[in-house]
Amino acid sequence: DQQVKQNSPSLSVQEGRISILNCDYTNSMFDYFLWYKKYPAEGPTFLISISSIKDKNEDGRFTVFLNKSAKHLSLHIVPSQPGDSAVYFCAASAAGANSKLTFGKGITLSVRP
Amino acid sequence: GAGVSQTPSNKVTEKGKYVELRCDPISGHTALYWYRQSLGQGPEFLIYFQGTGAADDSGLPNDRFFAVRPEGSVSTLKIQRTERGDSAVYLCASSRQPYTEAFFGQGTRLTVV
Repeated sequence: DQQVKQNSPSLSVQEGRISILNCDYTNSMFDYFLWYKKYPAEGPTFLISISSIKDKNEDGRFTVFLNKSAKHLSLHIVPSQPGDSAVYFCAASAAGANSKLTFGKGITLSVRP
Repeated sequence: GAGVSQTPSNKVTEKGKYVELRCDPISGHTALYWYRQSLGQGPEFLIYFQGTGAADDSGLPNDRFFAVRPEGSVSTLKIQRTERGDSAVYLCASSRQPYTEAFFGQGTRLTVV
């Protein structure tokens, strides 16, 4: 049973436009959410995180929004750049769970020049 | 070191053989995690170490899998009697302390033929 779902396997956007990557979760115990970016043949790289006490966290071009009632979060990238093309994983952890992460399947973002 | 280092980067082994995968975490990071990523999936948690002890091994699929971290730094994931279904990328991550973002190595791609 997938507790973290990334239902769209891929997304293609034009350079300069906004990329919106969505993630849904089912476990109400999750209280910390992260986004990782992964290039081929490399390990995932931490991008941005958000605690459940917040509904928004911003870091440069990257903003993560959390809607706890809907169990939904999204990553916004503005403006999108060709170097953002990668696989993006949404991950979640629960307090008291030793901070182990539960990952979604990932979404492949392609930014067209 | 500068980042999490995993060796080997690739390992091909015959079904039934024993393999060891090594992880050298970031210096000073007390928390260490092993994940496994199969094709088209997100990383799946295997085991978590806090210091030398395995604080959570609930993700290990069966007793053929074992991991150690004898001195609280380098960790070795050991797989006995390998099966073709064990083929995956094995990722190691470390964090300064639990419940902070984890930094991943580049992974070891294990292929069982």
